[in-house]
Order: sequence, then structure tokens, then C-alpha cells
Amino acid sequence: AQSVAQPEDQVNVAEGNPLTVKCTYSVSGNPYLFWYVQYPNRGLQFLLKYITGDNLVKGSYGFEAEFNKSQTSFHLKKPSALVSDSALYFCAVRSSGTYKYIFGTGTRLKVLA
Amino acid sequence: GAGVSQSPRYKVAKRGQDVALRCDPISGHVSLFWYQQALGQGPEFLTYFQNEAQLDKSGLPSDRFFAERPEGSVSTLKIQRTQQEDSAVYLCASSLPGSNTDTQYFGPGTRLTVL
Repeated sequence: AQSVAQPEDQVNVAEGNPLTVKCTYSVSGNPYLFWYVQYPNRGLQFLLKYITGDNLVKGSYGFEAEFNKSQTSFHLKKPSALVSDSALYFCAVRSSGTYKYIFGTGTRLKVLA
Repeated sequence: GAGVSQSPRYKVAKRGQDVALRCDPISGHVSLFWYQQALGQGPEFLTYFQNEAQLDKSGLPSDRFFAERPEGSVSTLKIQRTQQEDSAVYLCASSLPGSNTDTQYFGPGTRLTVL
């Protein structure tokens, strides 16, 4: 069965500091991994994805994520956080050969000025 | 240049009523997904269409839930005899043609409240 875990409900970070939002997954086939962000009163927006190739993926707004097969992780990172990055972040996974995407429960990122 | 639109944005139903939620995907998008997002949770997959074909409906929670996309564009999610546990935000997403591994573009959702 597919599953995604986001172990932290909330992450607090000071503006200008690096941030990490954690995600681990479990799938039976090759994983396709995604990060989405949800701002208040707005729909989910795509940040980045890993399908194949380079383990380090760069996405929108300066975010990046590293696919680690041995640790089954896909942590979201940003070198220098902005107050405007404060939002709800979701990790998602789909196994090759299925159409079903599994989302994590979300991590609320709060960047403090 | 519109994105994915959903209507209505808000729906209040009395328990036992039937509701219909509409999704207008981005023009030309082959793939269309429906999700249910309960308060404080991540989106949960309900069903997937490729054009007009419903290829996966494994996430529909009961036979009260029904989705269709008859002409391969607009989709409707219908919930019959609504129950309080159906209260949630229903999200629709579409993705670029040719591959369902591509980016999903989400609509703003329909917030359903069942009294």
C-alpha cells in the first residue's frame, strides 16, 4: 500500500534561516514524488516533482527537494526562508502503474520576521 | 487563460439531499482528478478520468458517490443522500495532456457542509 508521512504538524523558522519540511513515503513500485503548497483561501499550487533522474530537484520560489531512495525520503528545503513562505505544505506520492496520488497530512510552515 | 474552476464554491445541504459539484478543467487537459479534503487533513483521492474514461474510482467512499465526465472536459461529482461525514472540501485537479505524471493544477474547491 502507498503511504506518505509528514512527521511535523508545524515548523517554525526565522526569516533568512534555512528551512526543511520532512516527507517520507512507502510505495511498491517506482515513486513519483511531489510537493504542493496551499496558501489561505487559495488552491493547492505545485512546487516541484521528482519523476526520474537527478536526485536534487529544484522548483518554484527557490525551493528544492532531494530524493533519497535508501531512506525513502523527499524532504523540502530552502536556503533562506521568507515570511511569505508561510503556508501549508503537502507532500504527495504516486507509484508507477497507478493513477492514485497519496497526499500527506500537511506541515504548516511559519516563518518569523 | 483560466485555471481550473469549480462551482459552487460553497454548498450547504440538509442530510439526505443530493448534491452535484462541477469542475471545469483547463482546456485540453486529458487527466482529471477528484479529491476530498477534510478539515486539517491532506487531500484524499476519490477518482481519476482520462478523457471521458473513468480509469480509477477506488477512492469513492461509498456507492452514494458518483462521478462523470461524459465529453471528456467538464466533470460532475454527485453525492446522493448526503451524510454529515460528507462535509469536506472537494477538490478537482487537471493535468497536461499525454501523461499523468505531470503537474496537477488544482481548482479552488467546493466546501460542502451537510447539516
